[in-house]
Amino acid sequence: GAVVSQHPSWVICKSGTSVKIECRSLDFQATTMFWYRQFPKQSLMLMATSNEGSKATYEQGVEKDKFLINHASLTLSTLTVTSAHPEDSSFYICSARRQGVNTEAFFGQGTRLTVV
Amino acid sequence: LAKTTQPISMDSYEGQEVNITCSHNNIATNDYITWYQQFPSQGPRFIIQGYKTKVTNEVASLFIPADRKSSTLSLPRVSLSDTAVYYCLVATDSSASKIIFGSGTRLSIRP
Repeated sequence: GAVVSQHPSWVICKSGTSVKIECRSLDFQATTMFWYRQFPKQSLMLMATSNEGSKATYEQGVEKDKFLINHASLTLSTLTVTSAHPEDSSFYICSARRQGVNTEAFFGQGTRLTVV
Repeated sequence: LAKTTQPISMDSYEGQEVNITCSHNNIATNDYITWYQQFPSQGPRFIIQGYKTKVTNEVASLFIPADRKSSTLSLPRVSLSDTAVYYCLVATDSSASKIIFGSGTRLSIRP
């Protein structure tokens, strides 16, 4: 089946620095990818929709200048957490769906970000 | 976007059949129903998807009544490894369609 891969699986960074998370669709092209954030014991919260070749669409309450999304190719989207603070520590997950009818979403394995 | 409602948690025992029901009263004509499983510190994993009636695969069955306002995920003969959070999602079949997660059901399986 289709695979969506994230890198890194975990990262620890100092407060004030920026961190980039990559999301790749390994065996299909994805014009649209989605980024989620998940806090402990909570559900996944959609942050933004990443569109290949155009600007991302952010959900209400998500700071676009803090969470920079780039979707430069049909197989890669990146999420950069800029000037990270401890409250940004979370589990970040990306998702993509194949083109076509009745296709399920595939999720990456997630990236655990810890800001110290 | 259709909102889903599921029980927050459920408990069962190994070898039992577990049924998790999800309500989606505002489901639209173009919406499909998909169930995902998530283990701690992992991304959600696809279980099953359906539009109406019954769908069965090697791990689960999905029952959808005619009005499609609810659906039931059935897990036959659960094991300890089925302990996870299960999400019922409703979305259109477009690859650009947003997928919004509800609260999910935390299923605990005991020996």
